[in-house]
Amino acid sequence: EAGVAQSPRYKIIEKRQSVAFWCNPISGHATLYWYQQILGQGPKLLIQFQNNGVVDDSQLPKDRFSAERLKGVDSTLKIQPAKLEDSAVYLCASSPGHSVFYEQYFGPGTRLTVT
Amino acid sequence: GESVGLHLPTLSVQEGDNSIINCAYSNSASDYFIWYKQESGKGPQFIIDIRSNMDKRQGQRVTVLLNKTVKHLSLQIAATQPGDSAVYFCAENQGGKLIFGQGTELSVKP
Repeated sequence: EAGVAQSPRYKIIEKRQSVAFWCNPISGHATLYWYQQILGQGPKLLIQFQNNGVVDDSQLPKDRFSAERLKGVDSTLKIQPAKLEDSAVYLCASSPGHSVFYEQYFGPGTRLTVT
Repeated sequence: GESVGLHLPTLSVQEGDNSIINCAYSNSASDYFIWYKQESGKGPQFIIDIRSNMDKRQGQRVTVLLNKTVKHLSLQIAATQPGDSAVYFCAENQGGKLIFGQGTELSVKP
C-alpha cells in the first residue's frame, strides 16, 4: 500500500513570497490533515478535511494560509505572504475516518525555510 | 489551552537495555493517548495507543502505562535496538483533535 505522498520535500523562499505544498493521501482515506511542526516541537494541527469539506480549521492563520481539497482526494496548502516564523515542516496525514480514534498515517513532510 | 509535555528532552541508552520515556498531561478529561515515533526526515509513525479506561497496554516490545491519578503516561521499550533511535511524541485527544507534546529524543548506543 502506497503511503501519503508530499511534494516538494524542501522549499526555501524569501519572506513575503508565496508557496504551495501538495499532498496525496492514501487511496480511500476520507480524512486528510495538515500539521505544522516547528523544529523541536510536536506537530500542530492546521486543518482537517473530511472528503472535500473542512471539519476543523480553527488553528489555521487564515490571513495568510489557505488549503483546499477540491475533489476530496489531493490537497494543497498555500502560504501567502510567508513570514519568517512560518519556517517549519508541513506534514500531511490521512486516515480512513474523521474520528481521532482512527490511525493517522503521516507523509514525510515538506521542510520550508523562510529567509 | 491545556497541553501535553515531556519530562526529558533527550534519553541515551545502551543497546539491549530497556527505555522509559515519560509524558505528563494536564487535561484530566482526556480519554485517549497515542505514542508516535518520528525518525529523521520522516513523518510520525503510530506505535501504540491507550484509552483512559485502561492503565496498561502492551505491543511488540512496547508497553504504555497510564496513571490518571497523577496524569502521567509512559512508553517502555524492551531490549532497545539501534533502530529505535528517534524522537518519541505522546499525543492526547482534546475535543477530537490530537495535541502533541514536545518530544523526547532517544539515542541508542551500540
